Amino acid sequence: DAGVIQSPRHEVTEMGQEVTLRCKPISGHDYLFWYRQTMMRGLELLIYFNNNVPIDDSGMPEDRFSAKMPNASFSTLKIQPSEPRDSAVYFCASSYRGNEAFFGQGTRLTVV
Amino acid sequence: GNSVTQMEGPVTLSEEAFLTINCTYTATGYPSLFWYVQYPGEGLQLLLKATKADDKGSNKGFEATYRKETTSFHLEKGSVQVSDSAVYFCALSDPLGGRRALTFGSGTRLQVQP
Repeated sequence: DAGVIQSPRHEVTEMGQEVTLRCKPISGHDYLFWYRQTMMRGLELLIYFNNNVPIDDSGMPEDRFSAKMPNASFSTLKIQPSEPRDSAVYFCASSYRGNEAFFGQGTRLTVV
Repeated sequence: GNSVTQMEGPVTLSEEAFLTINCTYTATGYPSLFWYVQYPGEGLQLLLKATKADDKGSNKGFEATYRKETTSFHLEKGSVQVSDSAVYFCALSDPLGGRRALTFGSGTRLQVQP
C-alpha cells in the first residue's frame, strides 16, 4: 500500500481565498483523522471520522473550517475564507479499528 | 480528560550516548500508548507501541515500558546515532474510554552530534 496520500504538499494562498486539502487513507482503514501542527499549539486534532461518519469535530476552530468524507477512500478539509492564522501543517491519518494511526506527509499551508 | 506530558527539549547528545525521553499520561480508561517520530519535512511515523500495563514496545533499538503504577511510558535507547535526530512524540488512545483519536504530547526534539 502507498500509505496515506495527501495533496497538495504545499499551498500558498491569499487571505480570503478558499483552500481545499485532500486525503486518501490506507485501503481498509475505517478511521480517518485530520490534525493541524503549529509551533505554538503542537499537534491538534481537528476532526475524525469512523466509516465515513464524523464522530468528533470539537477541534474544528470555527465555521470557516469544514470536512467531508464522501466515501471510504477520500476526504477533504476546506477552509473558507482562509486567514493568515490558519497557516500550519495539516496532517491526515488513518487507522484500523482505532489502533495505531498512519500519517500522510502533510500539507504545508501558508496564507498571506 | 486525557493528556500526555513530555519533557521539554531540545535534548542534545553525543553519538553513542544513552537516551531517555520522559512521558507521563492521564487517561480515564485503559489507554494504548505510542511513540511517534517525525523527521524534518515529513509526517509522523509510528516508532513503537504498548497496549497494556507492563508491555514493552521496541523497535530500531528504542524501547518503552507501559508503567500503569507511575502512568509513564519513557522512551530509551542505549546508543543514539546522528540519524536518530528528530522530534519524538508520545501519544495515547483510549478506545474503551470512547476516544479512538490519538492525544499527543508536545514533542521532544533530539539532536545527536557526531
